Amino acid sequence: GAVVSQHPSRVICKSGTSVKIECRSLDFQATTMFWYRQFPKQSLMLMATSNEGSKATYEQGVEKDKFLINHASLTLSTLTVTSAHPEDSSFYICSAMTGTPHGYTFGSGTRLTVV
Amino acid sequence: SQQGEEDPQALSIQEGENATMNCSYKTSINNLQWYRQNSGRGLVHLILIRSNEREKHSGRLRVTLDTSKKSSSLLITASRAADTASYFCAGAGSYQLTFGKGTKLSVIP
Repeated sequence: GAVVSQHPSRVICKSGTSVKIECRSLDFQATTMFWYRQFPKQSLMLMATSNEGSKATYEQGVEKDKFLINHASLTLSTLTVTSAHPEDSSFYICSAMTGTPHGYTFGSGTRLTVV
Repeated sequence: SQQGEEDPQALSIQEGENATMNCSYKTSINNLQWYRQNSGRGLVHLILIRSNEREKHSGRLRVTLDTSKKSSSLLITASRAADTASYFCAGAGSYQLTFGKGTKLSVIP
């Protein structure tokens, strides 16, 4: 149980376009989801925390107008990278707070490449 | 911000040897978790140790926690080529996980 499905797994987009990444909790209700960004050979950096039905809380240095997060339902959170630039190319991972013993379940990640 | 440092940043060992990775954290935690990540993939939860625990075992994994030193170690015994991956510690506060920098482990067959 406690599975988070993240799509797409890979996406290539042109500079200036927007890309939406979805995270769905398949068998539980996720009131809280987290979005991370990971640069090559580096660790996960928390970008924002989303709570169902309210505005996301962004970490310092993360542009909320560029990385739009929507958590409109208990099973879906989305991250939209707006007006993408090549420097936005990265690996994005979501996670959800769950009832599992360790408390968190991660999506499989999205590799974004902006050309 | 990241939780702390992990060392070594990279570790290369022969199959069958033990691998030890260390992690230090900065803030207070409720528990500390270790995750594994294969290249370009998502995270797999390995083991959790609570702040009131000192040692925990799970199969070939052994985790220790020293809250006075704000440090943890992960030992993988009898390593296998399939253990090749990046390993991250993550401190769980009251709400969110904060990840360390990770150790890239290479197990040579």
